Amino acid sequence: ETGVTQTPRHLVMGMTNKKSLKCEQHLGHNAMYWYKQSAKKPLELMFVYSLEERVENNSVPSRFSPECPNSSHLFLHLHTLQPEDSALYLCASSQGAPAGGLNEQFFGPGTRLTVL
Amino acid sequence: QQPVQSPQAVILREGEDAVINCSSSKALYSVHWYRQKHGEAPVFLMILLKGGEQKGHEKISASFNEKKQQSSLYLTASQLSYSGTYFCGTERSGTYKYIFGTGTRLKVLA
Repeated sequence: ETGVTQTPRHLVMGMTNKKSLKCEQHLGHNAMYWYKQSAKKPLELMFVYSLEERVENNSVPSRFSPECPNSSHLFLHLHTLQPEDSALYLCASSQGAPAGGLNEQFFGPGTRLTVL
Repeated sequence: QQPVQSPQAVILREGEDAVINCSSSKALYSVHWYRQKHGEAPVFLMILLKGGEQKGHEKISASFNEKKQQSSLYLTASQLSYSGTYFCGTERSGTYKYIFGTGTRLKVLA
């Protein structure tokens, strides 16, 4: 595997379910990101991890819970979601700490989430 | 607070030029440009730092006007492969927060 991978690619869940999204980067990067992309809306940054430490939580509801056990893996735990949470969830990684603007982000293919 | 991109959509004939603008109301440290094809992940194009720096990659170039807090992406002699949605991503000084623009849908016709 190369680049940034995400599983599952598609997920349908009820509002009472608990599920997790997984992201893995094979680039040796130190920073990882979760984004939400809704139809006809711009990319919304959710969380940023630098060296496995969360450095940004962009006012995301607590029903989304991130976890970064090491610099290569990032999870997004989901529980009691709402239908408006249906979207494409993208994971990205960059070489260094995101502050400073020098690090291009490499995106995974995304997980298409549908909440019924 | 998110950057505003213009135009929202543009249709070109192969070989024509286009300019996409990204404007912010906040002071910026850097601007990133990405292209996303339908059903695919965004792909990095270039980063510009404040200082009016201009960068280029083949027939795609960009500029960053720090005074106006505006960046422009220039696509010359467009190719069919340029079709997609272009996003600018902006970073304010001293924050980890990237904010992406509203997006510009570009379609190149043969």
